[in-house]
Amino acid sequence: AQTVTQSQPEMSVQEAETVTLSCTYDTSESNYYLFWYKQPPSRQMILVIRQEAYKQQNATENRFSVNFQKAAKSFSLKISDSQLGDTAMYFCAFGLIQGAQKLVFGQGTRLTINP
Amino acid sequence: KAGVTQTPRYLIKTRGQQVTLSCSPISGHRSVSWYQQTPGQGLQFLFEYFSETQRNKGNFPGRFSGRQFSNSRSEMNVSTLELGDSALYLCASSPPREEFYTEAFFGQGTRLTVV
Repeated sequence: AQTVTQSQPEMSVQEAETVTLSCTYDTSESNYYLFWYKQPPSRQMILVIRQEAYKQQNATENRFSVNFQKAAKSFSLKISDSQLGDTAMYFCAFGLIQGAQKLVFGQGTRLTINP
Repeated sequence: KAGVTQTPRYLIKTRGQQVTLSCSPISGHRSVSWYQQTPGQGLQFLFEYFSETQRNKGNFPGRFSGRQFSNSRSEMNVSTLELGDSALYLCASSPPREEFYTEAFFGQGTRLTVV
């Protein structure tokens, strides 16, 4: 079975600062995806970024980037030039590449961007 | 393209009753999965359907059931409701790549309150 751990229940930074959210996971599988999802107060889960485990290059999406350390089973999210709209719950999630579509989520990090 | 639609958005039920939640996936998506989100347990996988077949089920009692119709719309049913079933129920759909995982697109959820 897979587990995902987010050790930071809450974080708070000033607008325009850079913030890094941590995530570790445990699996014996070799082919999988890792995701960061954002859940604002509207409750809509929005995909922020995705990383395929077989890719060595870290994924980036505009101001969002990841540091994927496969051997250490670590998958952190860096948000650069943070904006007020980044305020949300952030969930790290694990999904196998093959088979049923099932995500295993971490407990989430509540991120607040202060003006 | 319309997103994942969940109905109703809010629901209040009494202990012992049963409830049916509905999810309409993005057009063309054949996989629909369901998650329960609570403050204590976080996001937990309930089950996933693909082409009307349940492919995977989470660790929930038999009171939780689901089905998928030929148009890929899905319903989940909870019988004999308990106070602990109060939660946000999220539905997600995924594009049609039969064996390989792709990203999940989430609906806005149904907030179920059991009194």
